[in-house]
Amino acid sequence: EVQLVESGGGLVQSGGSLRLSCAASGFTFSTYYMRWVRQAPGKGLDWVANINQDGSGKYYVDSVKGRFAISRDNAKNSLYLQMNSLRVEDTAVYYCTRGGSWTFDIWGLGTLVTVSS
Amino acid sequence: QSALTQPPSASASPGQSVTISCTGTSSDVGAYNYVSWFQHHPGKAPKLMIYEVSKRPSGVPDRLSGSKSGNTASLTVSGLQAEDEAVYYCSSYAGISNWVFGGGTKLTVL
Repeated sequence: EVQLVESGGGLVQSGGSLRLSCAASGFTFSTYYMRWVRQAPGKGLDWVANINQDGSGKYYVDSVKGRFAISRDNAKNSLYLQMNSLRVEDTAVYYCTRGGSWTFDIWGLGTLVTVSS
Repeated sequence: QSALTQPPSASASPGQSVTISCTGTSSDVGAYNYVSWFQHHPGKAPKLMIYEVSKRPSGVPDRLSGSKSGNTASLTVSGLQAEDEAVYYCSSYAGISNWVFGGGTKLTVL
């Protein structure tokens, strides 16, 4: 079964850091783009970051550039999101997604990040 | 405010059809045939229903269809069933490896 499982969310103070992880299974992880998407409470979905298959290409939404870093370990079938200088407006459920066929074809259940002031 | 504009709600009775719109710009929806639609039930993982404007992944019923005209994409759900009640989001490629989403449309089956 194709599956993505996020972990690492939690409560952190403004200015703090968190590292999210995503464990992939059921497919050849190293052959897919991977992406992070977030959903703030009561809001819609927002794309956060992309990483290509070998990790050499990384792209971010403007609001997180310089603060967040996406990475992957193909040997461990894992995707990561290092989040630094967190702001209250970063509070959201963070979803790990697979980037197949120019879309987001598989999603995890998400992990909640809460940034307090 | 989301980059793509969707109506906040839509509704129809079982067996009827409903169409949800997704309006972007000439830099995203209008520029690329990479519009997708996702179904989201609360507490569950979002599910891909339509990709590349009108393609359905394996397992998605043909009651769902997608189309695009200019800067507006549409999702039509025909023969509505109770299980179709969910929030639907559209997304589009916006160039230079950037992606944009709509704010979501809550579909109610009356």
